[in-house]
Amino acid sequence: NAGVTQTPKFRVLKTGQSMTLLCAQDMNHEYMYWYRQDPGMGLRLIHYSVGEGTTAKGEVPDGYNVSRLKKQNFLLGLESAAPSQTSVYFCASGRLADFSGETQYFGPGTRLLVL
Amino acid sequence: GENVEQHPSTLSVQEGDSAVIKCTYSDSASNYFPWYKQELGKRPQLIIDIRSNVGEKKDQRIAVTLNKTAKHFSLHITETQPEDSAVYFCAASKDFGNEKLTFGTGTRLTIIP
Repeated sequence: NAGVTQTPKFRVLKTGQSMTLLCAQDMNHEYMYWYRQDPGMGLRLIHYSVGEGTTAKGEVPDGYNVSRLKKQNFLLGLESAAPSQTSVYFCASGRLADFSGETQYFGPGTRLLVL
Repeated sequence: GENVEQHPSTLSVQEGDSAVIKCTYSDSASNYFPWYKQELGKRPQLIIDIRSNVGEKKDQRIAVTLNKTAKHFSLHITETQPEDSAVYFCAASKDFGNEKLTFGTGTRLTIIP
């Protein structure tokens, strides 16, 4: 049981390049999320999904797109990377709360540097 | 939308003493309040959570209190140990917590041996 995994772990991009971050979970969770973490700003929600085939905008969605074609995968795309997108990206997954245990599990993170 | 403020941003505590981190939230409809611990270079991990139908919850050396009227909640760590050194995040959400957790900006806790 791997939990939540993210690919890649680290990436360097040049301004204007595109890339896709992959998040996978093997816990059969309904909900999946993408956050970015910047120093002094905590975790900010980019996009999220409440089920296969559905996505919704979070707090900071501009410059990013997402897709949830399969329940276990949630992809985050950067079409034209900008230096302001340099950050650590965390994926998380969650299940319907049942008043016990965790409701969101985080992946190990992807460190992205845009030059 | 929800706004969560967290204080202090840094906290140094002598080993064995207690540490308290406070958060306030703006949306009175929020009813789920988790706390996450993030060690350096690691992922955030849930350490305790509380729902609005209770005022306090304890788990060994960790406790969380909630004041719905004042819209604030606090994390209390007693008998601190070096392994408690980390960044702690509070968060808030509505419903059962699976949509749009809003996080505080974090508290870097350092335990001084």
